[in-house]
Amino acid sequence: SAVISQKPSRDICQRGTSLTIQCQVDSQVTMMFWYRQQPGQSLTLIATANQGSEATYESGFVIDKFPISRPNLTFSTLTVSNMSPEDSSIYLCSSLLAGRYNEQFFGPGTRLTVL
Amino acid sequence: AQSVTQLGSHVSVSEGALVLLRCNYSSSVPPYLFWYVQYPNQGLQLLLKYTTGATLVKGINGFEAEFKKSETSFHLTKPSAHMSDAAEYFCAVSDFSGGYQKVTFGTGTKLQVIP
Repeated sequence: SAVISQKPSRDICQRGTSLTIQCQVDSQVTMMFWYRQQPGQSLTLIATANQGSEATYESGFVIDKFPISRPNLTFSTLTVSNMSPEDSSIYLCSSLLAGRYNEQFFGPGTRLTVL
Repeated sequence: AQSVTQLGSHVSVSEGALVLLRCNYSSSVPPYLFWYVQYPNQGLQLLLKYTTGATLVKGINGFEAEFKKSETSFHLTKPSAHMSDAAEYFCAVSDFSGGYQKVTFGTGTKLQVIP
């Protein structure tokens, strides 16, 4: 299995600022993903973080709002830019292990509140 | 496009009673199916998964699910509920359309266990 850690675990931010969330996996993984879980809702895929290239964004999410980096196989960051209260959510990092394409592992999430 | 429908956003059962959480999916290709559990303020944990082979899948904590292709269902059951089962449960479907795995989650079912 893979152990995924995220930092920060929670934060309260002011409108208009940006927050960068870090995701670290303890194994080399092939794919990393970022999800958003808004209050009372399910998980929505924001993007797939690709190593060494631009992330692949899902419909409704854009790079200017959610820039993503993945400098190596075990680390990724998601930035929530120019935040508004509507961005208040839990952001989860997820990964697939090399050779195990049918099980996603999830980090504990980052709980973001925007005032 | 794939989708997941979970019937009932909230389910209450008495301790010791049968747990049944319903999940129906749609997918244009043979799917992989998952159940995840999320305890309060925690990330998602995989309960069980169906990829190929036996249609009755056993998972952790006494849960099991049966893949019924004719009904496009993957309902989660547990014969006897325990207080520690109180959590939110997500059904998910994935396939490799587009060249990479994409997981779609249902809206979740919150399970309440009454003493």
